[in-house]
Amino acid sequence: AQKVTQAQTEISVVEKEDVTLDCVYETRDTTYYLFWYKQPPSGELVFLIRRNSFDEQNEISGRYSWNFQKSTSSFNFTITASQVVDSAVYFCALHIWGNQGGKLIFGQGTELSVKP
Amino acid sequence: DAGITQSPRYKITETGRQVTLMCHQTWSHSYMFWYRQDLGHGLRLIYYSAAADITDKGEVPDGYVVSRSKTENFPLTLESATRSQTSVYFCASTNRDSTYEQYFGPGTRLTVT
Repeated sequence: AQKVTQAQTEISVVEKEDVTLDCVYETRDTTYYLFWYKQPPSGELVFLIRRNSFDEQNEISGRYSWNFQKSTSSFNFTITASQVVDSAVYFCALHIWGNQGGKLIFGQGTELSVKP
Repeated sequence: DAGITQSPRYKITETGRQVTLMCHQTWSHSYMFWYRQDLGHGLRLIYYSAAADITDKGEVPDGYVVSRSKTENFPLTLESATRSQTSVYFCASTNRDSTYEQYFGPGTRLTVT
């Protein structure tokens, strides 16, 4: 089965705390792509990062960092020094191939609440 | 306006009625997608399209019909709406190929009474 699991349904932290959102995936493909999207309270979906299976380097973008580990099939997302504006639902997604091209399978999402 | 738009943004309809949700993108992206978002389920793919006149089912296609006669439009039709189809519907598109990031529309909140 090809799927994405985000075991943390909700996380609540206090501002300035670090927080890690977990993502575990399953795929039979040897080449694959993983994504993170953010959905703030306003409802739109915002792309954060795309990672291919050949690139296991961790990535950092400001307060955001991603840890990709093929050995454990995980692609975790850490926010350092969280802020209230980070409050959102975060989705991890896996690209898979279908009959007519490719598509994304999303995890169920993790709702992050950052309190002042 | 440039980008990806959805209409209507809000819709209330009755059980058994046919409803069409519109999606329009101005980038000439090849791939387009329809998702529904429900509490506890995240985003689930309904249908997707790799190009005009090429469509395929996603995870939850039952009760929905799509067409794609023009690259820029990807309408989603609920043939006979049911209460279980009450949801927020998102359209998305991507360029180059399907392995790249998707750009999402603002969503349509549909309520079936």
